[in-house]
Amino acid sequence: DSGVTQTPKHLITATGQRVTLRCSPRSGDLSVYWYQQSLDQGLQFLIQYYNGEERAKGNILERFSAQQFPDLHSELNLSSLELGDSALYFCASSVRDRTVNEQFFGPGTRLTVL
Amino acid sequence: KNEVEQSPQNLTAQEGEFITINCSYSVGISALHWLQQHPGGGIVSLFMLSSGKKKHGRLIATINIQEKHSSLHITASHPRDSAVYICAVETDKLIFGTGTRLQVFP
Repeated sequence: DSGVTQTPKHLITATGQRVTLRCSPRSGDLSVYWYQQSLDQGLQFLIQYYNGEERAKGNILERFSAQQFPDLHSELNLSSLELGDSALYFCASSVRDRTVNEQFFGPGTRLTVL
Repeated sequence: KNEVEQSPQNLTAQEGEFITINCSYSVGISALHWLQQHPGGGIVSLFMLSSGKKKHGRLIATINIQEKHSSLHITASHPRDSAVYICAVETDKLIFGTGTRLQVFP
């Protein structure tokens, strides 16, 4: 158990819908990272927050947004869902900001868009 | 060409064998990570390396910064080592390799 929690574990929804994925980092960790793992693209970095502020952006679509709240939990919002958004979404946390940081991964949320 | 290449893509071994998984990268990095992903999907961080060599139990990771290459070794492999091993390099973000699927048979 990494100490990072993600809810829900599974989510099944329809195209065009909007969903929110939630992540609680390990106690004391200030950075939260979001990743997408799809069958055709592998693992890809989406976005990082540190202590409530956006720090780095990767291949995140405009239909997706995220935020980190004062209690340090984070939410990833996915809207106008398409079939290709079906994937495993991981969050990870680390103590410090950005580089040379071990990251601790949550168990993931499996999103299925029908 | 991918910025992070792993080989082999698939690996089958008998219990007890010595395993090597390779990772080459083409970008400047601040660190390299080895991750393990089990069939259930969970990801565990095995190593984070900036230079040299690290050992944890039966796992050894090495990195050669000049050659932009890292290896993950598993000594005395066991069926419970069966998983996907993923190399990721750290720039201003993590860039992942496509993973090596390892199956160890009794």
